[in-house]
Amino acid sequence: AQTVTQSQPEMSVQEAETVTLSCTYDTSENNYYLFWYKQPPSRQMILVIRQEAYKQQNATENRFSVNFQKAAKSFSLKISDSQLGDTAMYFCAPFEGGGSNYKLTFGKGTLLTVNP
Amino acid sequence: ETGVTQTPRHLVMGMTNKKSLKCEQHLGHNAMYWYKQSAKKPLELMFVYNFKEQTENNSVPSRFSPECPNSSHLFLHLHTLQPEDSALYLCASGRERVTDTQYFGPGTRLTVL
Repeated sequence: AQTVTQSQPEMSVQEAETVTLSCTYDTSENNYYLFWYKQPPSRQMILVIRQEAYKQQNATENRFSVNFQKAAKSFSLKISDSQLGDTAMYFCAPFEGGGSNYKLTFGKGTLLTVNP
Repeated sequence: ETGVTQTPRHLVMGMTNKKSLKCEQHLGHNAMYWYKQSAKKPLELMFVYNFKEQTENNSVPSRFSPECPNSSHLFLHLHTLQPEDSALYLCASGRERVTDTQYFGPGTRLTVL
């Protein structure tokens, strides 16, 4: 079974500052995908960013970027210029396999609070 | 917001009841998913439907029975549930593959008494 560890249950950051959420995982696959999902309070879960393991370049989506360390099996999320609307639960989720034989595993999440 | 709706939003049921959760997507997607989000456990992928065919069942107990009559609708039929089944049940849809961006509904908060 795949193991996903988000070691920071809760974090807080001041508005406009930068914060990094950590995620480590365990997989025996060489090619897989990694996702960060965001779940704001009382709102729907949305995809923040996606990384394909075979790509060496770290994914970036506006203020969100990842630091993907394949050998270390680490996939951290950096949020720059934090905004109040970034307050949410953040989930790391590796995906491995393909066809009808695959596994998508979510971490327990990190609750991020952005303070004004 | 995201084109995925779920009804009801809240449901309280007894252990002997039979109820159904409904999910509808208006995004023209071909894949739909059921997830379970418990208070103390990570999000779990329960069922995957791709082009109306079930492709994944992560060892979910038979008291949960999914139905996908077409690519836009997904149901989760519930019967003889246990109190530990109380959770937020999320529906999501995606273009085709599990790795495609998934769009989530607001969820149904289920309480089993």
